[in-house]
Amino acid sequence: GESVGLHLPTLSVQEGDNSIINCAYSNSASDYFIWYKQESGKGPQFIIDIRSNMDKRQGQRVTVLLNKTVKHLSLQIAATQPGDSAVYFCAERAASGGYNKLIFGAGTRLAVHP
Amino acid sequence: GAVVSQHPSWVICKSGTSVKIECRSLDFQATTMFWYRQFPKQSLMLMATSNEGSKATYEQGVEKDKFLINHASLTLSTLTVTSAHPEDSSFYICSAREPGRGLNTEAFFGQGTRLTVV
Repeated sequence: GESVGLHLPTLSVQEGDNSIINCAYSNSASDYFIWYKQESGKGPQFIIDIRSNMDKRQGQRVTVLLNKTVKHLSLQIAATQPGDSAVYFCAERAASGGYNKLIFGAGTRLAVHP
Repeated sequence: GAVVSQHPSWVICKSGTSVKIECRSLDFQATTMFWYRQFPKQSLMLMATSNEGSKATYEQGVEKDKFLINHASLTLSTLTVTSAHPEDSSFYICSAREPGRGLNTEAFFGQGTRLTVV
């Protein structure tokens, strides 16, 4: 079946460095992607999204890149801070039954060290 | 962003009993809500799509008689885990999407409910 996956299950970075979290998706028909941050014991928190007609989108300290040719998504976090430590999920919108559900990737744990 | 609230945040119940989890959209009306299940160190897996005024749409492999979903109003969906067993212990999370903003919009998530069945 269709799936969204991640290359790196755990990423450790030094405070102040830039972080890059990667995600591969398999459904070429997916047209909308979201990155979420999940802290321990909490629900996912929206970070940034991108539509398939774009290849880059920037937010505050975060950038999402989309490469449709290789079906790859990445989240770049600039000047990573301890508060960025969390699990990050990519999600793709899969139209199914008209409800456009989100399919989540496996997740990457980001550990920021002082 | 919009606020989605779940209640309770955590619950412990005895095996064989039923537990109800509520999901509310606090500042918007949601015709569609989603229920997810998350095991430790794993991703979110969609269980079902809750539709106001109609039956829920369950994902393959999810027992509809086990996980009862009721979307009674535009601001409330409930998930009832019936005859709970220890293997039902998990983190349950709901989400809702603001209507009228288009399909390509983020879904807002509740804070999750930790269910422990003993």
